Formats: sequence, C-alpha cells, structure tokens
Amino acid sequence: QKEVEQDPGPLSVPEGAIVSLNCTYSNSAFQYFMWYRQYSRKGPELLMYTYSSGNKEDGRFTAQVDKSSKYISLFIRDSQPSDSATYLCAIWSNTGKLIFGQGTTLQVKP
Amino acid sequence: GAVVSQHPSRVICKSGTSVKIECRSLDFQATTMFWYRQFPKQSLMLMATSNEGSKATYEQGVEKDKFLINHASLTLSTLTVTSAHPEDSSFYICSAGGGVYGYTFGSGTRLTVV
Repeated sequence: QKEVEQDPGPLSVPEGAIVSLNCTYSNSAFQYFMWYRQYSRKGPELLMYTYSSGNKEDGRFTAQVDKSSKYISLFIRDSQPSDSATYLCAIWSNTGKLIFGQGTTLQVKP
Repeated sequence: GAVVSQHPSRVICKSGTSVKIECRSLDFQATTMFWYRQFPKQSLMLMATSNEGSKATYEQGVEKDKFLINHASLTLSTLTVTSAHPEDSSFYICSAGGGVYGYTFGSGTRLTVV
C-alpha cells in the first residue's frame, strides 16, 4: 500500500465550478499536510498547508484534513482557467521527508 | 521569499555521456537540499538528500554511482547523471530550505537521452 494515494484524473471542469481534490494516506502518525501546485514543466509551489485535523482557508482555496479517515482535501471555489495545473498532495513523514501523491491534473475550461 | 535556481532547464545528451545539473539557493544558505525525479503523469520520487560538506544519502533503489551528488557549498548542490541512458530521461527537480513548510523547489530540468 502506498503511503499517499491520489487519483491522477484528469479532471476537467467549467470556469466557476467548485473543484474537489482528494488524497488518502496510510500512517495515522502523520501530522503535517500540504498541497502543491505544479504548472507544466515547472517545479511545484506550495499552495496550502495544515497541521493535524481541521480546515484552513486562503482566498478561493480551502484545505481540509480528516485524520479519523486519513483523508485530505483541497477545495477550489470559483475556479479559473489559470487554476489549470497539476495539484499534488504531500505529507511530511516522520523521517523528515516529503511524500507526494501522484498528482491530479486539473483543467478549467473558459 | 526563498528562491531556488536550477540549471539547465532542458538538456539533450547522447547515450553514454554525463550530464551535470546545478541547484542554487539564491538568497539563503541551504545545508540540506533534496533531489527528486518525476516521470510523466507521476509523482515526485525522492532520489537523495544532499548534505553540505558530507556524502549524500540515497533512497533505496537509487544508484549512487550513477547519480553523483556534490554539495560543496551552502548555496550549491549538483547532480551528475553519469553514463546516461535513454531510461534516465526524466524531469529532475531539486528543493532547498528548512522546516516542514519551508522547502522551495527549483523549476526542474528536463533530461532527454538520445
């Protein structure tokens, strides 16, 4: 079983839609959760991060962690064509390394 | 914010030759840098942890003699792919920084071995 699982998509939505991106993880000891955005042929950039359970909101983006079900989510409201990218969930492991999900490719159509 | 510069962004080389990729922290010192590899439509896989002034720590399954890492200063780490073969073609990305949320990624190097 992979430590972090993410549906690779692709996911295509119309402009203005609400997007839901999700990951599951296997180790209940994980505490630090992140979402990275990666544009084509570029390195990832940190988008959101949360510690332990709960929600965190930043503009149109909301990150959510449910530790009871080992499930992490990223919601994008009022999606824009500029949001088209690959979104990777990541977890900071107990060994001090980032473990990435496979990434979900999102396309927002005008 | 922290800036990590990676060079070159794209390189094509012949099979059997070696290629060097540079990763620089521009406005901070980095005692630790990480090197990742990413295949198309796949996740970032950690290859090795580069430590300034000491040997790199490689992940299981990564050939240290093929992927030579040198972290000679607090702002520069290099990855050399030796005797490259077509199966080494991939997107290589470095990161540097510190703390759980503090790592910044370079823009990546697309290596194509022909």
